[in-house]
Amino acid sequence: AQTVTQSQPEMSVQEAETVTLSCTYDTSESNYYLFWYKQPPSRQMILVIRQEAYKQQNATENRFSVNFQKAAKSFSLKISDSQLGDTAMYFCAFWVRGTYKYIFGTGTRLKVLA
Amino acid sequence: SAVISQKPSRDICQRGTSLTIQCQVDSQVTMMFWYRQQPGQSLTLIATANQGSEATYESGFVIDKFPISRPNLTFSTLTVSNMSPEDSSIYLCSVAGTSTGEAFFGQGTRLTVV
Repeated sequence: AQTVTQSQPEMSVQEAETVTLSCTYDTSESNYYLFWYKQPPSRQMILVIRQEAYKQQNATENRFSVNFQKAAKSFSLKISDSQLGDTAMYFCAFWVRGTYKYIFGTGTRLKVLA
Repeated sequence: SAVISQKPSRDICQRGTSLTIQCQVDSQVTMMFWYRQQPGQSLTLIATANQGSEATYESGFVIDKFPISRPNLTFSTLTVSNMSPEDSSIYLCSVAGTSTGEAFFGQGTRLTVV
């Protein structure tokens, strides 16, 4: 069975600083995707970044980047130049291509401090 | 991409009553998903709704408690029946892109049972 673990329930970071959120997962599948989703206090869940497991290059989206270590089954999210609008709950998620099930981690609540 | 409209956004209900949550998608989708998110916790899949067939429920969730309708490819409802305070949660509907795996979410329904 697939599992996703986020070991940091809460984190805080000063505005303009960099923060890294951790995520580990366990699977025997080979064709899968990993995601980070953001859920702001307004509650609408939105995609932050996506990583295909077969790609060795780490995904980057503006201030957001991942460190994907496939052998270690680790998928951390780095937020650079943190902004107040980054305050949200962040969920790491796992999806096997061809299935319909997502496995979500328990989330990390990030607070960006002014 | 998909835009999902979910309503109501919140409700306070008396125990023993039922609430029906509606989810409208701006494009035709095969599968729609219903999640429960208990306060401060991750998302738990309740069921998968396919058009023209019975919904598929996850372990711990039953049709009598959470009946689902899927009358067409753009709409679904989830009913929370015979509510108790333990049903107080956020309920989210979702669809997923089959090629990219990206999931799209409604705004969520915050349910409080008193």
